[in-house]
Amino acid sequence: DAMVIQNPRYQVTQFGKPVTLSCSQTLNHNVMYWYQQKSSQAPKLLFHYYDKDFNNEADTPDNFQSRRPNTSFCFLDIRSPGLGDAAMYLCATSRDHGLVGKLFFGSGTQLSVL
Amino acid sequence: GQQVMQIPQYQHVQEGEDFTTYCNSSTTLSNIQWYKQRPGGHPVFLIQLVKSGEVKKQKRLTFQFGEAKKNSSLHITATQTTDVGTYFCAGNNNDMRFGAGTRLTVKP
Repeated sequence: DAMVIQNPRYQVTQFGKPVTLSCSQTLNHNVMYWYQQKSSQAPKLLFHYYDKDFNNEADTPDNFQSRRPNTSFCFLDIRSPGLGDAAMYLCATSRDHGLVGKLFFGSGTQLSVL
Repeated sequence: GQQVMQIPQYQHVQEGEDFTTYCNSSTTLSNIQWYKQRPGGHPVFLIQLVKSGEVKKQKRLTFQFGEAKKNSSLHITATQTTDVGTYFCAGNNNDMRFGAGTRLTVKP
């Protein structure tokens, strides 16, 4: 049973054309994260939501935005994708911060920018 | 800000040999977690360490958390081909920051 679902698995967009990646969860977790992972690199945290509170990483480009309309869904918007934004985008959830912060990852969306 | 460093970047072993990856944080962590990512897959949680000096075992895997809660290690005894993948540590201080990962390959 999938608990963190990301769609689509593969996404192709054009240079400069806005794209939205989606994530949903059935775990009712408080925290949802977006990570960017490029080939052979560690997942890089872009931002996270603790409930409705948005927490942006200092080095996340303004080109990346996120929305969390309710507990179950979170979206990653890339306003003007560049070639350097091609990567795997991983959504993850955790019940809480701290001691119960185990991350549950979705299968990811592999973004290609043409 | 918090940084998590992990070494080595790559490790190639013969099946049956042992393997160790090390993780070091620039700040004291509330806990540390370890994840395994198979090629083409997503990170999967292995374990969480919370207490200073904690040691946990999962079959052939041994995880340690340092006394100062700033470093950790994962040791695999007698590697098997199923151990292939990238092992990440992730330090937790209200957000999860991943180390660079150690990519393990195992030659049969």
